Amino acid sequence: RKEVEQDPGPFNVPEGATVAFNCTYSNSASQSFFWYRQDCRKEPKLLMSVYSSGNEDGRFTAQLNRASQYISLLIRDSKLSDSATYLCVVNMDNQGGKLIFGQGTELSVKP
Amino acid sequence: DGGITQSPKYLFRKEGQNVTLSCEQNLNHDAMYWYRQDPGQGLRLIYYSQIVNDFQKGDIAEGYSVSREKKESFPLTVTSAQKNPTAFYLCASRRPLDSGANVLTFGAGSRLTVL
Repeated sequence: RKEVEQDPGPFNVPEGATVAFNCTYSNSASQSFFWYRQDCRKEPKLLMSVYSSGNEDGRFTAQLNRASQYISLLIRDSKLSDSATYLCVVNMDNQGGKLIFGQGTELSVKP
Repeated sequence: DGGITQSPKYLFRKEGQNVTLSCEQNLNHDAMYWYRQDPGQGLRLIYYSQIVNDFQKGDIAEGYSVSREKKESFPLTVTSAQKNPTAFYLCASRRPLDSGANVLTFGAGSRLTVL
């Protein structure tokens, strides 16, 4: 089993749609989780951290389910500019700061 | 402005040659990381370093080497032992774990092509 796994994608959605991505992790000791966005041929950039109680930033909502060991990202009212690859990142807190990325989920928002 | 600088941005290499990718940061971050990304795939961890003069292997360290002689610098050498080195290489750094902000900052990446 991979340490971090994401929905394979790609997701093709119309503008205005709501889309959700899931990411599962295998290390139950993990404490820190993040979502990054990566545009084509660019470096990843932090979208949001994921907190235990769930957190929201505008149209984006992140959730953490420790019991089932997954995190999710919800994007409401999708914009064309949301088209990118979304990467989940898990901090292996019991492995000295090792940060593991999922394989990424590609989102394409169409007019 | 503080940031991470990777060089070169593009690099071509002949088979059998070693190459070194540079990564410099002026963010005063303790931890630094090297990842590799292949087309259509996520990032895979090559090496990481939590403090100066110390580093650990990631998931795909074979054929690579690193050093961490200075806090600001974490160069990666792709050796001839790496069988499939053509990829996009990303360097990142992270604030101290007790800073309350546990996020990675990336450089712009280096694209290595083996001819």
